[in-house]
Amino acid sequence: DQQVKQNSPSLSVQEGRISILNCDYTNSMFDYFLWYKKYPAEGPTFLISISSIKDKNEDGRFTVFLNKSAKHLSLHIVPSQPGDSAVYFCAASAVNRDDKIIFGKGTRLHILP
Amino acid sequence: AAGVIQSPRHLIKEKRETATLKCYPIPRHDTVYWYQQGPGQDPQFLISFYEKMQSDKGSIPDRFSAQQFSDYHSELNMSSLELGDSALYFCASTVRGGGAGELFFGEGSRLTVL
Repeated sequence: DQQVKQNSPSLSVQEGRISILNCDYTNSMFDYFLWYKKYPAEGPTFLISISSIKDKNEDGRFTVFLNKSAKHLSLHIVPSQPGDSAVYFCAASAVNRDDKIIFGKGTRLHILP
Repeated sequence: AAGVIQSPRHLIKEKRETATLKCYPIPRHDTVYWYQQGPGQDPQFLISFYEKMQSDKGSIPDRFSAQQFSDYHSELNMSSLELGDSALYFCASTVRGGGAGELFFGEGSRLTVL
């Protein structure tokens, strides 16, 4: 049972445009959501997070939006840069229950020149 | 800045052999997680430790065991290796109750079982 779903395995975006990566979750107990970026042969690197009490969190070019009623979150990257080409993992946790973080399958983002 | 250190980075074993992976968390981090990422798969949670005690268990096979030592480093022991154990094994550390919830990952140990 996939509790965190990233339905797009890959995404190609022109450099300078907006990249939008989507993530859906099924467990209503999740109250903390994170995005990780992963380059080949490296561990995932934390990007940005959002608590369930918020619906938006912004950090530079990265913005995460949370729609609790739809159990959906998205990561926006504006403007997209070549170094953004990587695999992006959405992750969720129920902070008040346990610290386990559940990852989605990831979306490979290609930034086109 | 110090990061999460994993060793070895690469390991090749034969079926039915044993392997041990080590993880050295960021200083002052008290929680360690182990994840397994098979080819083309998302990271799967294996097991976690807080203050040297097992805190949570995921999809870790009975052939695997792990522990966290007094210096907070952790070791993942894998016995009777199978071909399907070939994967990238990530260790991550954090401070429980730190509020941020972010994990800091090591670069992973790639295990190849022949």
